[in-house]
Amino acid sequence: DAGITQSPRYKITETGRQVTLMCHQTWSHSYMFWYRQDLGHGLRLIYYSAAADITDKGEVPDGYVVSRSKTENFPLTLESATRSQTSVYFCASSGEGQRLTSGGYEQFFGPGTRLTVL
Amino acid sequence: ILNVEQSPQSLHVQEGDSTNFTCSFPSSNFYALHWYRWETAKSPEALFVMTLNGDEKKKGRISATLNTKEGYSYLYIKGSQPEDSATYLCAFLANTGNQFYFGTGTSLTVIP
Repeated sequence: DAGITQSPRYKITETGRQVTLMCHQTWSHSYMFWYRQDLGHGLRLIYYSAAADITDKGEVPDGYVVSRSKTENFPLTLESATRSQTSVYFCASSGEGQRLTSGGYEQFFGPGTRLTVL
Repeated sequence: ILNVEQSPQSLHVQEGDSTNFTCSFPSSNFYALHWYRWETAKSPEALFVMTLNGDEKKKGRISATLNTKEGYSYLYIKGSQPEDSATYLCAFLANTGNQFYFGTGTSLTVIP
């Protein structure tokens, strides 16, 4: 299917476990982003990637690891999950193929993953 | 970390009313300002990408203006309909990087 997908959609895990959230896009967008949504904070950027093998920290990167070996995939790993990482996680992509103006590409969001850490 | 603020936090209007809300962002190092519409149980969807001071964008009954010198953008909805009920997010992109900073959103409820 074309678009941007996330898996799993729902995940319950325990404190201390490693969890990987998957994100896949079919547009060959250069940029991909991971956000978390928490009450009172809106969307906060965890990590982003400008291209394959290029990643950079966002506003709240601690406790997370990302990789981008292929343009279409951008997995997010919680190395040792904590209760404070209970959240809804959104992946987004943007890039040259969706360029609307001379700068600033709109982001396309995945459906989200609801993660609960017990 | 850059501060992006949206007001009001929530808004209830009657069907047919026109409404507007504000996004405030740093007036220096501006690169782009995005508006997104986020319906409950769905993902945010882009409404407008604004890059030029004085920009005005329109999509149907929804329009937006941009003032980069003073650091604000207004989103207007004319003749609100129940299907306009959603949270409206703005996101600021500085010219110093590739990181978007989102406001916490304005939650709009249109009462039939």
